[in-house]
Amino acid sequence: DTEVTQTPKHLVMGMTNKKSLKCEQHMGHRAMYWYKQKAKKPPELMFVYSYEKLSINESVPSRFSPECPNSSLLNLHLHALQPEDSALYLCASSQTGIYRYTFGSGTRLTVV
Amino acid sequence: SQQGEEDPQALSIQEGENATMNCSYKTSINNLQWYRQNSGRGLVHLILIRSNEREKHSGRLRVTLDTSKKSSSLLITASRAADTASYFCATGSFLPSGTYKYIFGTGTRLKVLA
Repeated sequence: DTEVTQTPKHLVMGMTNKKSLKCEQHMGHRAMYWYKQKAKKPPELMFVYSYEKLSINESVPSRFSPECPNSSLLNLHLHALQPEDSALYLCASSQTGIYRYTFGSGTRLTVV
Repeated sequence: SQQGEEDPQALSIQEGENATMNCSYKTSINNLQWYRQNSGRGLVHLILIRSNEREKHSGRLRVTLDTSKKSSSLLITASRAADTASYFCATGSFLPSGTYKYIFGTGTRLKVLA
């Protein structure tokens, strides 16, 4: 298995909703990442996990809450989002010490 | 911003023509990579060039790197409609945890007309 699987592919949520994005990989990668990408912009790093521990938080608002329950799974919990949080959310993984990611196909989030 | 700059921002060519996109970056690098993104979905790794390399080929792709000018170019030869996508250059650095942080360029949106 050489893929990163993200679910759901599309999500529409209200500003008072709570939802979660899921990312899964079975490549044995111990580094996992969340990126946010607005339309016609490059991806921007949000969070980095290394061996299931949060390594980097790029000053992301607390309405985004990451979780890494095990080495194969990465979640992004969403609460009280704003319309400007609408974007494509990309998950990626890599082997530690290796500078190449495998990206998932993303979750397109719309906040209404 | 630490982002690399890419130009052109958008490029439209006929099938069979060559497409060239350029990337400039700001810091010293160990390597530079190019990724492709179809229709706002996931990014796919295309090619990596190390800082001690000047040119690299992979199929119809040719990448050059000029570290003195802090620039790279990606050439796609004999383009096809299926090459329509956004292309991003990426540089990065290792973090203490052994993870790797990318900085992506601003991207070039390529449209190949059949």
